[in-house]
Amino acid sequence: DGGITQSPKYLFRKEGQNVTLSCEQNLNHDAMYWYRQDPGQGLRLIYYSQIVNDFQKGDIAEGYSVSREKKESFPLTVTSAQKNPTAFYLCASSIDDIRGYEQYFGPGTRLTVT
Amino acid sequence: KNQVEQSPQSLIILEGKNCTLQCNYTVSPFSNLRWYKQDTGRGPVSLTIMTFSENTKSNGRYTATLDADTKQSSLHITASQLSDSASYICVVSARTGGSYIPTFGRGTSLIVHP
Repeated sequence: DGGITQSPKYLFRKEGQNVTLSCEQNLNHDAMYWYRQDPGQGLRLIYYSQIVNDFQKGDIAEGYSVSREKKESFPLTVTSAQKNPTAFYLCASSIDDIRGYEQYFGPGTRLTVT
Repeated sequence: KNQVEQSPQSLIILEGKNCTLQCNYTVSPFSNLRWYKQDTGRGPVSLTIMTFSENTKSNGRYTATLDADTKQSSLHITASQLSDSASYICVVSARTGGSYIPTFGRGTSLIVHP
C-alpha cells in the first residue's frame, strides 16, 4: 500500500518541551514538505527537501527543525522556541514531472501544547 | 507577493444542488493550478491539476476551469452529495529555477445538507 504516513495522529505536550513529528513515504518521491494549518488560514510552508541530506526553509521555519537522512523519511521537530506550536501539521511529498509536480499529503498530526 | 484568494469563504447547499467555487490568483511565473478537497482532520486530496494551456478539467462530478488571462479558476460541483462536505483548496504554483513554489488559498468550506 503506497502512501504517506504521519504519526501520531494526536500529540500532546507541555510547553517548553521539544517534540518530533514523524513523516514516512514509500512513493519513491524525491521532494518532501512540512506545512502548518491553522483555522481559517491556508497551509503555510515550514520546510521542504528536494533531495536527501538537503532541505530549505519555508515561510515560517523559525522554531522548527528538520532532517532528511533517508529518502523515505522527513521528521519535523517543534522546538520550545516556537511561540504558537498548537496546530495541525501536514507532511507532503511530490515527484517532478513535465506537467508540474503534484503533492500527495499525509493524514496530518494535530499537536496541542499546553 | 504571490497570492491566492478564494470565495466564498463558506457555502451551504442542499443535497443534489450544483455549486461553483472561485479562485483568483496573482502568482508569477505561473506553472499550474490545483484544486484539493480536504475533509475535516484529514490531509488534502487532489481533485484536478491544470497547466497554462488547459482551460477545463473534469474529475467525475467535479469540473475545474482556468482562465489564465484573467487569472481566475472555478470548481463546479454537480449534483452535490453529503460526502462533498469539506474544505476545497485552490493551490497555484510558480516555477522558479528548478523549484515549484506553491501558494495556497485559505479554502472554501462547503456544507451539504440533506
